[in-house]
Amino acid sequence: KAGVTQTPRYLIKTRGQQVTLSCSPISGHRSVSWYQQTPGQGLQFLFEYFSETQRNKGNFPGRFSGRQFSNSRSEMNVSTLELGDSALYLCASSLHGLAGAYEQYFGPGTRLTVT
Amino acid sequence: SQQGEEDPQALSIQEGENATMNCSYKTSINNLQWYRQNSGRGLVHLILIRSNEREKHSGRLRVTLDTSKKSSSLLITASRAADTASYFCATDKETSGSRLTFGEGTQLTVNP
Repeated sequence: KAGVTQTPRYLIKTRGQQVTLSCSPISGHRSVSWYQQTPGQGLQFLFEYFSETQRNKGNFPGRFSGRQFSNSRSEMNVSTLELGDSALYLCASSLHGLAGAYEQYFGPGTRLTVT
Repeated sequence: SQQGEEDPQALSIQEGENATMNCSYKTSINNLQWYRQNSGRGLVHLILIRSNEREKHSGRLRVTLDTSKKSSSLLITASRAADTASYFCATDKETSGSRLTFGEGTQLTVNP
């Protein structure tokens, strides 16, 4: 089975712009979670989708949004980019909906740099 | 904010030695997982231990969980240079099972 894929792998954007990141989960996985990783804050949960529904959301401003499609692929969008949004964005998929109860399969991440 | 704290923050050992990393957390949990991350890449799942389990083994890995102390440890035996990576514990709180909260991680360096 192919692993979790994330596109693009690297991205450079300017402050004020918006960006869309994509995640394709492992075939058959219905749960997709997103995390932001920065040197200062570590790994922080953004949101989790299961069967196209957002089940949980982290403490991020409304500029961060996401969605999941019927084929379980997910996108996250960040509008009005700030320098502090520079981070590694990781997507994880799981067969079941409870992220804590089951192994999460992570993608390689998208490295976003905001200048 | 981080649910877990890990210590040490960095650990450097020689090949063949054992490495022990600790994780403490603040609130009651359902499960605790350990992940490995190689240099800015995605995370790889190592082991999951449920709140009613005390110890679990997987190959050279041994994980313990003490819910009364809200702490867990990861032991890697007979370490190899390829074990060099960052190791994170992740917990799911009882009230939020669909979200993982990660610790700050331990950077392990295994010298050949």
